[in-house]
Amino acid sequence: DVKVTQSSRYLVKRTGEKVFLECVQDMDHENMFWYRQDPGLGLRLIYFSYDVKMKEKGDIPEGYSVSREKKERFSLILESASTNQTSMYLCASSLPIDRVYGYTFGSGTRLTVV
Amino acid sequence: AQKVTQAQTEISVVEKEDVTLDCVYETRDTTYYLFWYKQPPSGELVFLIRRNSFDEQNEISGRYSWNFQKSTSSFNFTITASQVVDSAVYFCALTYNAGNMLTFGGGTRLMVKP
Repeated sequence: DVKVTQSSRYLVKRTGEKVFLECVQDMDHENMFWYRQDPGLGLRLIYFSYDVKMKEKGDIPEGYSVSREKKERFSLILESASTNQTSMYLCASSLPIDRVYGYTFGSGTRLTVV
Repeated sequence: AQKVTQAQTEISVVEKEDVTLDCVYETRDTTYYLFWYKQPPSGELVFLIRRNSFDEQNEISGRYSWNFQKSTSSFNFTITASQVVDSAVYFCALTYNAGNMLTFGGGTRLMVKP
């Protein structure tokens, strides 16, 4: 089974801290994604990557950056955490669309910024 | 731009009732892919189905069935004889490109009471 592992299930950080959310997948997927989930808004795409060292902005990239130095790892960085970044963060991976039958998601990281 | 609308934010049914979750989408692309995901209380999104825009056949999988109608831009999901284990948040999603960024609807929370 493909697995997407997010390093933390729950995180509490202070305003202004630099925060790293780590995501690792074990099936050699080209594409990786970071989504943010908020009630009533569904999942919104922050950033995605379709290759090592490649990244593309999603719908809500402001306040975030990403890093993909190795194919299996995709990190989300909050440069200076703010309370409006309190949310559930979901990482996902997939093959390119013509070979994909769905994303594989991690279990999520619930981040609270105080 | 793409958009997915799930007008029902919350549905409550009694076990064994049938329930339909609505999904309406907007896209200018002629080739696209539609998905349904289930998010149980554990938090991890689980892939249920993918449909291609050029395949309008309805699909049935056990108690689950999907009705795809391009004429009304809808991709509705029906659970027959609902069970308590069906209680979850269900997301409809759309993608159109090789990078396969998914656009999600806001989700429908389904509560099945015994």
